[in-house]
Amino acid sequence: SAVISQKPSRDICQRGTSLTIQCQVDSQVTMMFWYRQQPGQSLTLIATANQGSEATYESGFVIDKFPISRPNLTFSTLTVSNMSPEDSSIYLCSVRGGARTEAFFGQGTRLTVV
Amino acid sequence: GENVEQHPSTLSVQEGDSAVIKCTYSDSASNYFPWYKQELGKGPQLIIDIRSNVGEKKDQRIAVTLNKTAKHFSLHITETQPEDSAVYFCAASELAAAGNKLTFGGGTRVLVKP
Repeated sequence: SAVISQKPSRDICQRGTSLTIQCQVDSQVTMMFWYRQQPGQSLTLIATANQGSEATYESGFVIDKFPISRPNLTFSTLTVSNMSPEDSSIYLCSVRGGARTEAFFGQGTRLTVV
Repeated sequence: GENVEQHPSTLSVQEGDSAVIKCTYSDSASNYFPWYKQELGKGPQLIIDIRSNVGEKKDQRIAVTLNKTAKHFSLHITETQPEDSAVYFCAASELAAAGNKLTFGGGTRVLVKP
């Protein structure tokens, strides 16, 4: 299985500021995803991070609010911009590699906006 | 798009008893069904998965069954132990589809009482 490191593991941020979350994988992977998990809820896909091109966003999520970078096959960042208390959630990075079907998750970033 | 329903939302069992969690999906094109276990403060961990070309899969105390005609699949945990206490998520995906995205159920909080 892939080893996924997310940084930071948690943060408390002021409203109106932005936070960038990093996801580093120990091997090259074809697909990287970003999910949001609101308190006590399930996982909702924010976007698919595409290497070398713009991310593909799900309905309800926009690039201006959640800009994503993926400069190579092992690294991606998600920025939560102009934060409000409603953005308080766990943000999770997930990867699927090539022909493998399994999706693996990082440990998540617990964000609290005050 | 795909919609996955999961029941029950909470499940309390006595240690040693069995636990069953059920999921239904809406998209007949889905052909891959993983189950994840999420412990407090951690990211989801893949515990078992099944593809649509099989009806049942076992791994020690865990088994998953799939009824493709009825579009439902279930997780069975036998001889439950306190360390099985966690939130469990089912998911569905169409392999080889653009994006290979997972759609998650709402989650089941399992409590195993000693």
